[in-house]
Amino acid sequence: GAVVSQHPSRVICKSGTSVKIECRSLDFQATTMFWYRQFPKQSLMLMATSNEGSKATYEQGVEKDKFLINHASLTLSTLTVTSAHPEDSSFYICSARDLAGEYSQPQHFGDGTRLSIL
Amino acid sequence: AQKITQTQPGMFVQEKEAVTLDCTYDTSDPSYGLFWYKQPSSGEMIFLIYQGSYDQQNATEGRYSLNFQKARKSANLVISASQLGDSAMYFCAMRERNTGFQKLVFGTGTRLLVSP
Repeated sequence: GAVVSQHPSRVICKSGTSVKIECRSLDFQATTMFWYRQFPKQSLMLMATSNEGSKATYEQGVEKDKFLINHASLTLSTLTVTSAHPEDSSFYICSARDLAGEYSQPQHFGDGTRLSIL
Repeated sequence: AQKITQTQPGMFVQEKEAVTLDCTYDTSDPSYGLFWYKQPSSGEMIFLIYQGSYDQQNATEGRYSLNFQKARKSANLVISASQLGDSAMYFCAMRERNTGFQKLVFGTGTRLLVSP
Protein backbone atom coordinates (compact mmCIF):
# COMPACT_ATOMS: atom_id res chain seq x y z
CA GLY A 1 0.00 0.00 0.00
CA ALA A 2 0.93 3.65 -0.25
CA VAL A 3 3.54 4.70 2.25
CA VAL A 4 4.60 8.12 3.43
CA SER A 5 7.87 8.39 5.27
CA GLN A 6 8.53 11.27 7.66
CA HIS A 7 11.83 12.08 9.32
CA PRO A 8 12.93 12.70 11.95
CA SER A 9 10.42 11.15 14.31
CA ARG A 10 11.59 13.18 17.27
CA VAL A 11 13.62 16.34 17.66
CA ILE A 12 14.77 18.01 20.85
CA CYS A 13 16.74 21.20 20.40
CA LYS A 14 17.56 24.56 21.86
CA SER A 15 15.54 27.69 21.30
CA GLY A 16 16.68 29.57 18.19
CA THR A 17 17.54 26.46 16.20
CA SER A 18 16.02 25.81 12.79
CA VAL A 19 14.60 22.34 12.31
CA LYS A 20 13.93 20.62 9.00
CA ILE A 21 11.35 17.85 8.68
CA GLU A 22 11.16 15.68 5.56
CA CYS A 23 8.11 14.01 4.10
CA ARG A 24 8.52 11.45 1.33
CA SER A 25 6.02 9.45 -0.64
CA LEU A 26 7.77 6.13 -1.12
CA ASP A 27 5.80 4.34 -3.80
CA PHE A 28 3.66 6.99 -5.42
CA GLN A 29 3.89 10.52 -6.78
CA ALA A 30 2.29 13.43 -5.03
CA THR A 31 2.08 16.92 -6.55
CA THR A 32 0.47 18.02 -3.34
CA MET A 33 1.40 17.24 0.22
CA PHE A 34 -0.07 18.59 3.41
CA TRP A 35 1.45 19.69 6.69
CA TYR A 36 -0.52 19.49 9.92
CA ARG A 37 0.18 20.49 13.46
CA GLN A 38 -1.31 18.78 16.46
CA PHE A 39 -1.15 20.04 20.03
CA PRO A 40 -1.59 17.52 22.86
CA LYS A 41 -5.12 16.14 23.10
CA GLN A 42 -6.24 18.24 20.15
CA SER A 43 -7.13 17.66 16.55
CA LEU A 44 -4.95 18.00 13.48
CA MET A 45 -4.88 21.53 12.14
CA LEU A 46 -3.84 22.06 8.54
CA MET A 47 -0.91 24.46 8.36
CA ALA A 48 -0.19 24.52 4.66
CA THR A 49 -0.58 22.77 1.35
CA SER A 50 2.72 22.02 -0.32
CA ASN A 51 2.67 22.20 -4.11
CA GLU A 52 5.39 20.65 -6.24
CA GLY A 53 7.27 23.28 -8.18
CA SER A 54 5.37 26.24 -6.77
CA LYS A 55 4.77 28.15 -3.58
CA ALA A 56 2.98 26.55 -0.68
CA THR A 57 -0.48 27.70 0.29
CA TYR A 58 -0.67 28.61 3.96
CA GLU A 59 -3.73 28.52 6.15
CA GLN A 60 -4.85 31.68 7.89
CA GLY A 61 -2.76 32.49 10.92
CA VAL A 62 0.25 30.39 9.91
CA GLU A 63 3.44 32.41 9.54
CA LYS A 64 5.04 31.79 6.18
CA ASP A 65 8.44 33.00 7.33
CA LYS A 66 8.36 30.80 10.39
CA PHE A 67 7.31 27.62 8.61
CA LEU A 68 9.16 27.34 5.32
CA ILE A 69 7.92 24.70 2.92
CA ASN A 70 9.77 23.36 -0.08
CA HIS A 71 8.34 20.78 -2.46
CA ALA A 72 11.18 20.21 -4.89
CA SER A 73 10.07 16.90 -6.36
CA LEU A 74 7.00 14.73 -6.76
CA THR A 75 8.05 12.62 -3.79
CA LEU A 76 9.56 15.06 -1.30
CA SER A 77 8.30 17.99 0.71
CA THR A 78 10.19 19.63 3.56
CA LEU A 79 9.00 21.80 6.41
CA THR A 80 11.57 24.00 8.12
CA VAL A 81 10.67 25.55 11.44
CA THR A 82 12.94 28.58 11.51
CA SER A 83 14.37 29.96 14.75
CA ALA A 84 12.18 27.64 16.76
CA HIS A 85 10.93 28.67 20.17
CA PRO A 86 9.23 26.68 22.94
CA GLU A 87 5.78 27.65 21.65
CA ASP A 88 6.61 25.84 18.40
CA SER A 89 6.86 22.57 20.30
CA SER A 90 4.21 20.31 18.86
CA PHE A 91 3.52 17.20 16.82
CA TYR A 92 3.94 17.85 13.10
CA ILE A 93 2.56 15.37 10.61
CA CYS A 94 2.50 15.32 6.84
CA SER A 95 0.23 13.59 4.39
CA ALA A 96 -0.01 12.96 0.68
CA ARG A 97 -2.44 11.51 -1.82
CA ASP A 98 -1.57 9.35 -4.78
CA LEU A 99 -1.85 11.43 -7.98
CA ALA A 100 -2.98 8.42 -9.90
CA GLY A 101 -5.61 7.48 -7.36
CA GLU A 102 -9.28 8.32 -7.55
CA TYR A 103 -10.73 11.12 -5.49
CA SER A 104 -11.98 8.55 -3.02
CA GLN A 105 -8.44 7.51 -2.18
CA PRO A 106 -7.46 8.51 1.35
CA GLN A 107 -4.57 10.70 2.25
CA HIS A 108 -1.67 8.71 3.62
CA PHE A 109 0.10 10.08 6.63
CA GLY A 110 3.66 9.99 7.80
CA ASP A 111 4.33 8.85 11.33
CA GLY A 112 4.78 12.42 12.54
CA THR A 113 7.57 14.40 14.14
CA ARG A 114 7.48 15.28 17.80
CA LEU A 115 9.30 18.61 18.15
CA SER A 116 10.42 19.81 21.57
CA ILE A 117 12.14 23.17 21.87
CA LEU A 118 13.95 23.78 25.14
CA ALA B 1 -19.38 26.89 11.85
CA GLN B 2 -17.53 23.67 12.48
CA LYS B 3 -17.25 21.53 9.40
CA ILE B 4 -16.89 18.32 11.38
CA THR B 5 -18.36 17.81 14.82
CA GLN B 6 -17.53 14.93 17.12
CA THR B 7 -19.53 15.40 20.29
CA GLN B 8 -18.04 12.54 22.30
CA PRO B 9 -14.68 13.46 23.82
CA GLY B 10 -14.37 9.97 25.29
CA MET B 11 -16.07 6.63 25.02
CA PHE B 12 -15.70 3.43 27.02
CA VAL B 13 -16.56 -0.02 25.78
CA GLN B 14 -15.94 -3.52 26.98
CA GLU B 15 -14.00 -5.94 24.90
CA LYS B 16 -16.09 -7.81 22.31
CA GLU B 17 -18.91 -5.26 22.42
CA ALA B 18 -19.84 -2.90 19.62
CA VAL B 19 -19.40 0.86 19.88
CA THR B 20 -20.62 3.80 17.81
CA LEU B 21 -18.58 6.96 17.45
CA ASP B 22 -20.59 9.95 16.32
CA CYS B 23 -19.73 12.38 13.56
CA THR B 24 -21.81 15.12 11.99
CA TYR B 25 -20.66 17.37 9.19
CA ASP B 26 -21.58 20.62 7.55
CA THR B 27 -21.22 21.32 3.87
CA SER B 28 -23.12 22.87 1.00
CA ASP B 29 -21.03 21.02 -1.56
CA PRO B 30 -23.04 18.13 -3.04
CA SER B 31 -19.87 16.16 -3.65
CA TYR B 32 -17.71 15.22 -0.71
CA GLY B 33 -15.97 12.34 0.96
CA LEU B 34 -15.96 11.32 4.59
CA PHE B 35 -13.09 9.51 6.26
CA TRP B 36 -12.36 7.96 9.61
CA TYR B 37 -8.82 7.72 10.94
CA LYS B 38 -7.45 6.03 14.04
CA GLN B 39 -4.56 7.58 15.95
CA PRO B 40 -2.90 5.35 18.56
CA SER B 41 -0.79 6.90 21.30
CA SER B 42 2.28 6.52 19.07
CA GLY B 43 0.82 9.24 16.84
CA GLU B 44 0.49 7.75 13.38
CA MET B 45 -2.77 8.26 11.50
CA ILE B 46 -4.33 5.03 10.29
CA PHE B 47 -7.01 5.19 7.61
CA LEU B 48 -10.06 3.09 8.51
CA ILE B 49 -12.95 3.70 6.17
CA TYR B 50 -14.31 6.00 3.47
CA GLN B 51 -17.82 7.06 2.47
CA GLY B 52 -18.58 9.08 -0.65
CA SER B 53 -21.52 11.46 -0.73
CA TYR B 54 -23.03 9.64 -3.68
CA ASP B 55 -22.50 6.15 -2.34
CA GLN B 56 -25.81 4.37 -2.00
CA GLN B 57 -24.65 1.84 0.51
CA ASN B 58 -22.96 2.25 3.86
CA ALA B 59 -19.25 1.54 3.72
CA THR B 60 -17.84 -1.48 5.53
CA GLU B 61 -14.26 -2.59 6.14
CA GLY B 62 -13.90 -5.65 8.32
CA ARG B 63 -15.04 -4.74 11.83
CA TYR B 64 -15.61 -1.12 10.82
CA SER B 65 -18.81 0.12 9.27
CA LEU B 66 -20.11 3.58 8.61
CA ASN B 67 -23.69 4.52 9.40
CA PHE B 68 -24.19 7.18 6.75
CA GLN B 69 -27.34 9.28 7.07
CA LYS B 70 -27.03 11.89 4.39
CA ALA B 71 -30.16 13.87 5.19
CA ARG B 72 -29.01 14.22 8.79
CA LYS B 73 -25.43 14.86 7.70
CA SER B 74 -24.09 12.21 9.98
CA ALA B 75 -21.44 9.56 9.39
CA ASN B 76 -21.07 7.52 12.53
CA LEU B 77 -18.38 4.87 12.82
CA VAL B 78 -19.43 1.51 14.20
CA ILE B 79 -16.76 -0.82 15.53
CA SER B 80 -18.00 -4.32 16.10
CA ALA B 81 -16.43 -6.83 18.50
CA SER B 82 -14.10 -4.29 20.11
CA GLN B 83 -10.56 -5.35 20.86
CA LEU B 84 -8.07 -3.95 23.35
CA GLY B 85 -6.00 -2.70 20.44
CA ASP B 86 -8.88 -0.47 19.36
CA SER B 87 -8.09 1.90 22.24
CA ALA B 88 -7.03 5.11 20.47
CA MET B 89 -8.19 8.50 19.27
CA TYR B 90 -10.62 8.39 16.36
CA PHE B 91 -10.99 11.29 13.96
CA CYS B 92 -13.73 11.93 11.44
CA ALA B 93 -12.69 14.03 8.45
CA MET B 94 -14.19 15.45 5.28
CA ARG B 95 -12.90 16.42 1.88
CA GLU B 96 -15.02 18.51 -0.51
CA ARG B 97 -15.04 18.87 -4.27
CA ASN B 98 -14.74 22.65 -4.01
CA THR B 99 -11.21 22.15 -2.67
CA GLY B 100 -10.40 19.71 -5.46
CA PHE B 101 -10.91 16.88 -2.99
CA GLN B 102 -7.60 17.91 -1.51
CA LYS B 103 -8.04 19.64 1.81
CA LEU B 104 -8.97 17.27 4.61
CA VAL B 105 -10.74 18.86 7.58
CA PHE B 106 -10.78 16.98 10.87
CA GLY B 107 -13.13 16.85 13.80
CA THR B 108 -11.89 17.15 17.37
CA GLY B 109 -11.73 13.42 17.84
CA THR B 110 -13.09 10.82 20.25
CA ARG B 111 -10.88 8.88 22.60
CA LEU B 112 -11.99 5.27 22.79
CA LEU B 113 -10.96 3.08 25.69
CA VAL B 114 -11.61 -0.65 25.45
CA SER B 115 -11.58 -2.48 28.75
CA PRO B 116 -11.08 -6.21 29.31
